[in-house]
Amino acid sequence: KAGVTQTPRYLIKTRGQQVTLSCSPISGHRSVSWYQQTPGQGLQFLFEYFSETQRNKGNFPGRFSGRQFSNSRSEMNVSTLELGDSALYLCASSLFGGQPQHFGDGTRLSIL
Amino acid sequence: EDKVVQSPLSLVVHEGDTVTLNCSYEVTNFRSLLWYKQEKKAPTFLFMLTSSGIEKKSGRLSSILDKKELFSILNITATQTGDSAIYLCAVSASGAGGTSYGKLTFGQGTILTVHP
Repeated sequence: KAGVTQTPRYLIKTRGQQVTLSCSPISGHRSVSWYQQTPGQGLQFLFEYFSETQRNKGNFPGRFSGRQFSNSRSEMNVSTLELGDSALYLCASSLFGGQPQHFGDGTRLSIL
Repeated sequence: EDKVVQSPLSLVVHEGDTVTLNCSYEVTNFRSLLWYKQEKKAPTFLFMLTSSGIEKKSGRLSSILDKKELFSILNITATQTGDSAIYLCAVSASGAGGTSYGKLTFGQGTILTVHP
């Protein structure tokens, strides 16, 4: 059974640009959660999607948004990139939003 | 606000040693506590504990949860160099109506280094 797949693996952007990250959950999983991981703050919850609806949201500015498609694949968008957005962005999926969640390898985003 | 604190933040041991990693938490409507191991990429799931005093065991790793004292420990016996990683503790809570929304609150992690 394939795991959680995130694309791209690496991204380099400049300040002010926007970026879209993609996540394909484990087959049959309907809940997708996104996390930001930085050395200073650790892993922080961004938001969760279930059945194409955002069900929970962390404490991040409105520049961070996401969506989920009918096949449960999810995308995350960050607009007007700032240097502080440099991080590893991890996606995790689970059957219905319960636990455990299973993580993808992440997208490493670097802002120049 | 939910909070998870892990200790120690880093630990250096030699192969064969036994280590104990600690995790304390404060969370409203606690549902479960999870341990993950993170090497270079994705955190990989180790254990999930929901009931107090239950020990979960897998090979050389074991974990126990104390819901009264709000903490958990992860034990690794006979450590190997392949155990070198960041160990993450996370908690989940029940949302409205008992639904467990897909949010995990993580601790800072414990960096474990095992020398040959």
